[in-house]
Amino acid sequence: GAVVSQHPSWVICKSGTSVKIECRSLDFQATTMFWYRQFPKQSLMLMATSNEGSKATYEQGVEKDKFLINHASLTLSTLTVTSAHPEDSSFYICSAHTLLQGAGTEAFFGQGTRLTVV
Amino acid sequence: LAKTTQPISMDSYEGQEVNITCSHNNIATNDYITWYQQFPSQGPRFIIQGYKTKVTNEVASLFIPADRKSSTLSLPRVSLSDTAVYYCLVGPTSNTGKLIFGQGTTLQVKP
Repeated sequence: GAVVSQHPSWVICKSGTSVKIECRSLDFQATTMFWYRQFPKQSLMLMATSNEGSKATYEQGVEKDKFLINHASLTLSTLTVTSAHPEDSSFYICSAHTLLQGAGTEAFFGQGTRLTVV
Repeated sequence: LAKTTQPISMDSYEGQEVNITCSHNNIATNDYITWYQQFPSQGPRFIIQGYKTKVTNEVASLFIPADRKSSTLSLPRVSLSDTAVYYCLVGPTSNTGKLIFGQGTTLQVKP
């Protein structure tokens, strides 16, 4: 099946620095990708929809200037957490969808990136 | 997007069949029902998707009654490795449509 790869799997950074997370669709093109964050023992929360060649669409309450999203190609979306603070520490996950034969779609998720801000 | 309600947690034993029911009273005509599995520190993984009646694949079955206001994920003969969080999602299918996750069901399989 289709593969979505995230990099890095984990990262530790100092407060005030920025961190970039990459999300790649390895064997299919994705005009749209999605970014989620997940706190311990909680569900995934959709942050934004990344659109190739245009601006991302952010969910209510998500600061677009803090979480910069770039989707410059059909196989790569990046999420940059700017001026990171300890409260940004979380598990960040990206996804992209493919159409199933016949009907329906299947979402493929990256393996996630564990961000720890110290 | 239709809201879903699932049990917060379930316990089972190895070899048993597990049925997890999801309520989605406000499901729309063009909505599909999809289940995902998530292990700790990993991204979710697609399990099964259906629109109506019954769907079966190599890992699970999905039962959807005629009114489509609920669905049941059935895992046959679970093993310890099936311990995970299971999410039921309802929404229209497209490769640009966003997914909104509910709380999910934490399944604990015991030896």
